[in-house]
Amino acid sequence: DIQMTQSPSSLSVSVGDRVTITCQASQDISNYVNWYQQKPGKAPELLIYDASRLQLGVPSRFSGSRSGTYFTFTISNLQPEDIATYYCQQYDNLPPYNFGQGTKLEIK
Amino acid sequence: QITLRESGPTLVKPTQTLTLTCTFSGFSLSTNGVGVGWIRQPPGKAPEWLALIYGNGNKRYRPSLRGRLTIARATSTNQVVLTMTNMDPVDTATYYCVHNERGPTVVIWEYWGQGTLVTVSS
Repeated sequence: DIQMTQSPSSLSVSVGDRVTITCQASQDISNYVNWYQQKPGKAPELLIYDASRLQLGVPSRFSGSRSGTYFTFTISNLQPEDIATYYCQQYDNLPPYNFGQGTKLEIK
Repeated sequence: QITLRESGPTLVKPTQTLTLTCTFSGFSLSTNGVGVGWIRQPPGKAPEWLALIYGNGNKRYRPSLRGRLTIARATSTNQVVLTMTNMDPVDTATYYCVHNERGPTVVIWEYWGQGTLVTVSS
């Protein structure tokens, strides 16, 4: 199985901050990583797919990038509505299509 | 507009079999590349992918749960059923039905149902 090691597990943030979350894949998975946002009591929502492609309708302050087996998710100029938990997910050729352990953003 | 809705029991006893139904609209499972899957999320934990079915009958399962899971198209063309045998309290989770339209080589969960909480307890 391909494991996704996500860090940090939690982050104290302020409105206007630049936030960076990282997922490291246990092996090369090309660009096959998606990022989701989950608010309490709701289903996850797709924000970024194929490592860096912004899902339609998602604000441009969200972005993603890849360097080797490291995947980075960034929120520039954090807004109050961005307080949530974020997950990476990989979809290399064979299942299981594992998620990272999540990063919970909290207001300072 | 694509929608998915999960239905099934909210409480099952240990060793029982769980059967969940996903009723969807806005797409056809017969369209090339379209798949319906199931993901669960234990309280306070990360989501965990379980199973996936495509219109051509191609099925994929989480290897660690393969012997307990069955995914199938229901008699109705807009339903997918997941069964999980020998339920245990550790299987307590919110179960989501999800849609992928770029399969089978690309797996992106663009649409999710609202989820249904299943509790396993005697």
